[in-house]
Amino acid sequence: IAGITQAPTSQILAAGRRMTLRCTQDMRHNAMYWYRQDLGLGLRLIHYSNTAGTTGKGEVPDGYSVSRANTDDFPLTLASAVPSQTSVYFCASSESGSGYTFGSGTRLTVV
Amino acid sequence: AQSVAQPEDQVNVAEGNPLTVKCTYSVSGNPYLFWYVQYPNRGLQFLLKYITGDNLVKGSYGFEAEFNKSQTSFHLKKPSALVSDSALYFCAVRPFPSGSARQLTFGSGTQLTVLP
Repeated sequence: IAGITQAPTSQILAAGRRMTLRCTQDMRHNAMYWYRQDLGLGLRLIHYSNTAGTTGKGEVPDGYSVSRANTDDFPLTLASAVPSQTSVYFCASSESGSGYTFGSGTRLTVV
Repeated sequence: AQSVAQPEDQVNVAEGNPLTVKCTYSVSGNPYLFWYVQYPNRGLQFLLKYITGDNLVKGSYGFEAEFNKSQTSFHLKKPSALVSDSALYFCAVRPFPSGSARQLTFGSGTQLTVLP
């Protein structure tokens, strides 16, 4: 089934540790995105990539980095996790003129 | 900068009654508007979108939305609510045409509860 795969599904992480959230799509969409979802705040854009080899900062980029080495993969890295990064993280992709396709999310708890 | 407001955190409606989930937006130029639905522990699913054309847009599961340019609104509606419609609903916007700015801005979400 075409779509987006995120891993892990959930994770408990000690503060200060490094963590990479994985995202892979099989739809050959050019654009990919990382959002975090927090209660009462909706979804906020962390980073995006309009095409392989390019990335950009969203609304809340601090503490996060991304890379886009190819069309299919868009990993999100937390270099040194802090409790305020406890959230549900969603990866999404889109093609021009279309809406987003979302992954099922990664629930991250930083303790 | 673009923004979306969903003024109601929670909407309760009886099964069989019509439902409305409100959304207003702010964007430079013409809007490209979306509604998404999220069921518990799931990702967001596309419901419908508006680019141009008829102001009433029909989408999945019997939902529709009405675009009102003068009021900068894009309210989600359904004539007869089902218990299974209970979920979290998000409105989103980006400018159209977007050029390189394809990022969607989402509202804070509205929790819809349909009571049996």
